[in-house]
This record gives sequence, C-alpha cells and structure tokens, in this order.
Amino acid sequence: AQTVTQSQPEMSVQEAETVTLSCTYDTSESDYYLFWYKQPPSRQMILVIRQEAYKQQNATENRFSVNFQKAAKSFSLKISDSQLGDAAMYFCAYRSAFIGNQFYFGTGTSLTVIP
Amino acid sequence: DTEVTQTPKHLVMGMTNKKSLKCEQHMGHRAMYWYKQKAKKPPELMFVYSYEKLSINESVPSRFSPECPNSSLLNLHLHALQPEDSALYLCASRPSATGNPAEQYFGPGTRLTVT
Repeated sequence: AQTVTQSQPEMSVQEAETVTLSCTYDTSESDYYLFWYKQPPSRQMILVIRQEAYKQQNATENRFSVNFQKAAKSFSLKISDSQLGDAAMYFCAYRSAFIGNQFYFGTGTSLTVIP
Repeated sequence: DTEVTQTPKHLVMGMTNKKSLKCEQHMGHRAMYWYKQKAKKPPELMFVYSYEKLSINESVPSRFSPECPNSSLLNLHLHALQPEDSALYLCASRPSATGNPAEQYFGPGTRLTVT
C-alpha cells in the first residue's frame, strides 16, 4: 500500500500571511494523482487542489498552490494571503493512475488562522 | 453540480438497533465510497463500489453491510454496532471508476452515535 505522511499535526498562520503545509509520499508507481482536501470544523470535506504526476507544472488555484517535487516525492501546499475561512484540517491524498480506486490519506494538518 | 447528499445528518442508535445510512448523487458518477472518520483523523476506507459492484471491502466487520441498489444510490446497513463504531460516516463519489477525472467528491457525512 502507498503511504502518505504529513509531519505537521498542527500549524498556525497570521491572517494575510503565507503558510506552507508539507506532505511526502512513498510509491513505486510512475503515474498517479495527488490532492489536498480541506475539512473545516463540522463541515464538509472539499477538494482544494489536484496535481497529476505526469505534469511538471505546479498546480495553482487562486491563493492555493503546490510545490510538487516528483523525485523527492514531496507535495507541499502553499496558502497565500491566509483568511479566517482557511482554518481547517488539511489532508494530503494519493491515488494511483493505474489500478484500483483507492485513495490514501495522510494524517492531516490542523491549520489555525490568527486574526 | 458536484453534490453528494447523505441522510440522516445525525443518528443515535442502541447496540441492538438496525438502521441504514443513505448516500445519493445524481451526477452520473460510477464509483462510490464509504469512509469512517474519527475526530481529527483521516477518513478510513470501508467500501468501494465501481459500476454498482463491490470492488473493495477493507475487512470491515459484518455488522456493516453496504448496498448499491442503482448507480445513484448507496446504502450502509447497520446492525448490532458497538460504541467504538461511533464516528462520522462519509460517502464520496467519482465520475469515473478508472482514470480521469481523478478526484472524489464528499458528502457532508452522517454523525453516528452508538449508545
């Protein structure tokens, strides 16, 4: 099975500042997908950003961007101009492009935004 | 429209009760998932249905019984649960059982309490 590691259980950021959440993964596959999901307290889990492994260009979605380092098996999420609504659990996830439908999740990072 | 609905939102049941959780999507998605999630933990995969057939069962106890009556509906039948089964139960779906689009979309979850 693939493993996804988020080494930061908790992070905090001042409002309007930038924060980076870390994620590393272990795989022997060459083609796969990586995701960041956000889960606000008592609210629905939503997709923040997706990266295809075959794409060299880092994905961006408004204030959210990733730093995808395929050789290092690293996939960090940068949140710019942090807002109070960004406070949530953030989960990094992996899915193979080849087999099965299973998603592998990291243990999550709890992000606090300080006004 | 990327809506996955789940009912009920909250459920309290005794250990001898039989109840069911329901998940619906009308987006034509062909893969549907059940997850169990404890507080501040990542979702744990329970079952995956692909094209209405059970494709993954993560060694879930038989007191949890999934059912996929049609391509839009996914049920989770509960019987003789234990207090440790109390959790948030998430349903998710993907447009395709293989390949792209890669991401899954989550419902809001059912908060289950077993007394």
